[in-house]
Amino acid sequence: RKEVEQDPGPFNVPEGATVAFNCTYSNSASQSFFWYRQDCRKEPKLLMSVYSSGNEDGRFTAQLNRASQYISLLIRDSKLSDSATYLCVVTSYGQNFVFGPGTRLSVLP
Amino acid sequence: DAGVIQSPRHEVTEMGQEVTLRCKPISGHDYLFWYRQTMMRGLELLIYFNNNVPIDDSGMPEDRFSAKMPNASFSTLKIQPSEPRDSAVYFCASSLSASNNEQFFGPGTRLTVL
Repeated sequence: RKEVEQDPGPFNVPEGATVAFNCTYSNSASQSFFWYRQDCRKEPKLLMSVYSSGNEDGRFTAQLNRASQYISLLIRDSKLSDSATYLCVVTSYGQNFVFGPGTRLSVLP
Repeated sequence: DAGVIQSPRHEVTEMGQEVTLRCKPISGHDYLFWYRQTMMRGLELLIYFNNNVPIDDSGMPEDRFSAKMPNASFSTLKIQPSEPRDSAVYFCASSLSASNNEQFFGPGTRLTVL
């Protein structure tokens, strides 16, 4: 089993839709969690960290479920500019980032 | 700050040739990472340095790959000899600390080995 797994894409949604991605991780000792965004032919960039109590940043909401070992990302009122690949990242103490394979999102006009 | 700088941005070479990729991290960042990204395998960590010292190179695919960090502002990833299966985008990233700080990525080097 891979350390970090994500929903297979692509997700094709209309503008204004709400879309959710899930990510599961295998290491129960994992401590830090992030969502990165990668535009086509560009480098990954941090979208948001994921905190135990869940957190929101504008239209984006991240949730963590330690018991079930998954994190989620919810995008509300999706925009054309949200089209990208979303990478789930998990780290453990003393270990480095493990990136998931990514989920591709296309927001259609 | 200009961010993480990588060169060259594109490299096309023939099988068997030596390839050297270069990276300048963000000033003040203690950690430097080299990643490889392909469609098949996604983003893979190859090696990372802390204060110029290699900490974990378990992701380096084989002896043909080597990385150095002679000082805090420069690192190289070398492939010798190169093979077609090395074709990928190679990213360098830097961060202030290890596992709980944002990693800042460079624009990547797109390597094609013919």
